[in-house]
Amino acid sequence: TQLLEQSPQFLSIQEGENLTVYCNSSSVFSSLQWYRQEPGEGPVLLVTVVTGGEVKKLKRLTFQFGDARKDSSLHITAAQTGDTGLYLCAGASNTNAGKSTFGDGTTLTVKP
Amino acid sequence: DAGVIQSPRHEVTEMGQEVTLRCKPISGHNSLFWYRQTMMRGLELLIYFNNNVPIDDSGMPEDRFSAKMPNASFSTLKIQPSEPRDSAVYFCASSLIIRGGSGGNEQFFGPGTRLTVL
Repeated sequence: TQLLEQSPQFLSIQEGENLTVYCNSSSVFSSLQWYRQEPGEGPVLLVTVVTGGEVKKLKRLTFQFGDARKDSSLHITAAQTGDTGLYLCAGASNTNAGKSTFGDGTTLTVKP
Repeated sequence: DAGVIQSPRHEVTEMGQEVTLRCKPISGHNSLFWYRQTMMRGLELLIYFNNNVPIDDSGMPEDRFSAKMPNASFSTLKIQPSEPRDSAVYFCASSLIIRGGSGGNEQFFGPGTRLTVL
């Protein structure tokens, strides 16, 4: 069974601070997705990373896929209150025929 | 383009009643997923379909749960009889899975159905 562990589980910071959340596994994934979920809504896809060592930037968000494709990180620079939400990572492997494994998420609260 | 559509958005029912949740995936997508989300257990995959065929239903809790996908544009998740422990938010997601493709399993989620079983 493939498992994804996310840390920290909860994070509360002030607006303007930087933060990093992590997604770790002992399994190798062919791709990894990050989603953000706001209260009362479904998760929304932020990014997909597929190559070991890959770095993708989305405005103030920087996503990195580990060299061995077992882990990933999300770094937010100068957090804003609009970044508040549940951040989920999900990994997929070619052997799972379309199925993704989701982590338990990091709940981020950015206070004004 | 409309995203994934789910109905109803909220459902309150009494223990023992039948509940049917509905999902319309994004047009052109070939895979559909049903998830359940609770505070205690997070996001759990219940079942997923590829080209309308159930591929993996190992996440379906028990025989009270069933799911169908009669065509590419519609799926249902049924709970009969419902129990209070079934209370959760149920999400449907769809995806375009390309065998041998270089992309990932990007899933697009609906807004969810919040189910409360009294």
